[in-house]
Amino acid sequence: NAGVTQTPKFQVLKTGQSMTLQCAQDMNHNSMYWYRQDPGMGLRLIYYSASEGTTDKGEVPNGYNVSRLNKREFSLRLESAAPSQTSVYFCASSEILTSVGTDTQYFGPGTRLTVL
Amino acid sequence: GENVEQHPSTLSVQEGDSAVIKCTYSDSASNYFPWYKQELGKGPQLIIDIRSNVGEKKDQRIAVTLNKTAKHFSLHITETQPEDSAVYFCAASIGGNSGGGADGLTFGKGTHLIIQP
Repeated sequence: NAGVTQTPKFQVLKTGQSMTLQCAQDMNHNSMYWYRQDPGMGLRLIYYSASEGTTDKGEVPNGYNVSRLNKREFSLRLESAAPSQTSVYFCASSEILTSVGTDTQYFGPGTRLTVL
Repeated sequence: GENVEQHPSTLSVQEGDSAVIKCTYSDSASNYFPWYKQELGKGPQLIIDIRSNVGEKKDQRIAVTLNKTAKHFSLHITETQPEDSAVYFCAASIGGNSGGGADGLTFGKGTHLIIQP
């Protein structure tokens, strides 16, 4: 049981290049999330997928797209990378207990992205 | 949307002493308040959480308190040890009790806890 896995661990891009960050979970969770973490800013939600087949914008969605490929996988795409997207990206997943609200989110190890 | 403020940004305590980190939130509809610990180069890991129908929760040396009226919650770590050194984040969420799905978490900016030997 690996939990939440992310690939790649590190990536360097030039401005204007595109790339896709991959995330997979093996906990059979319904919901998945993408966050970015910048120094002094905490974690900010980019996009989330409450269940397979749905995606919604979070706090900072501009410049990103997502795909919920199936229940296990949720990818984040940068179509034209900019230096402002230099950050550490975390994927998370959770199960939903509707009677008590949002359940625990489990985080992956992160992808450290540098855009030159 | 929700706004979470966290204080202090850095906290240095002697080993064996207690540490307290405080957070406030803005949206009275928030009902789920987790605390995460993040070690260098790793993803955040949940250490304790509390829901809005509970005022206090303990797990060994860690406790969290919630004051819904004042909209603040706190993390208490007693008998601190060197392995407690890390960055701690509080978060808040309205939750998926509509049955239709789940929102993400709104995080505070983090507290760097340093345990002095």
